[in-house]
Amino acid sequence: NAGVTQTPKFQVLKTGQSMTLQCAQDMNHNSMYWYRQDPGMGLRLIYYSASEGTTDKGEVPNGYNVSRLNKREFSLRLESAAPSQTSVYFCASSETGTGYEQYFGPGTRLTVT
Amino acid sequence: AQSVAQPEDQVNVAEGNPLTVKCTYSVSGNPYLFWYVQYPNRGLQFLLKYITGDNLVKGSYGFEAEFNKSQTSFHLKKPSALVSDSALYFCAVRDGGYQKVTFGIGTKLQVIP
Repeated sequence: NAGVTQTPKFQVLKTGQSMTLQCAQDMNHNSMYWYRQDPGMGLRLIYYSASEGTTDKGEVPNGYNVSRLNKREFSLRLESAAPSQTSVYFCASSETGTGYEQYFGPGTRLTVT
Repeated sequence: AQSVAQPEDQVNVAEGNPLTVKCTYSVSGNPYLFWYVQYPNRGLQFLLKYITGDNLVKGSYGFEAEFNKSQTSFHLKKPSALVSDSALYFCAVRDGGYQKVTFGIGTKLQVIP
């Protein structure tokens, strides 16, 4: 039982390059989330998926797209990376419902130069 | 709109002393409150939650939190701090019926030997 896994762990991109961050969970959770963590800003929600086949914008969706490939996998794509997207990205999953806690992956540290 | 505030960037406490990490929240409906801990270069780990019932909630690693509806607070506490408790702590809130979770900016806990 690996929980939530993310790939890659580290990535360096040049401005304008694209990439996809992968996330998978093996807990049979319906809900999945993408956050970014920046110093002094806490965690900010980029996108979330309440169930397979649905996605919704979070607090900071601009410059990102997501795909809920199946129940296990939720990917985050940067189409044209910008230095402002330098951050640590976390994927999380949870049971559906307001009382359920989230389980987080180990994170991807992205630097855009 | 829902929000959460962690008024202290850092809390320093001597090993063996009690610790408190503060959190206040704002929601329009019933609050669902969570505490998470993040160790360096790791994802967030769930510590405890308040959904309903007893105002004192017990969680992992000897932590507990007290829900105070009149003061809209959910402070994290531990009777005797360990050096290994040194980490970044996040409070989070979800409004009842609302899918998204809002995180605070985090409080760094430093336990001094």
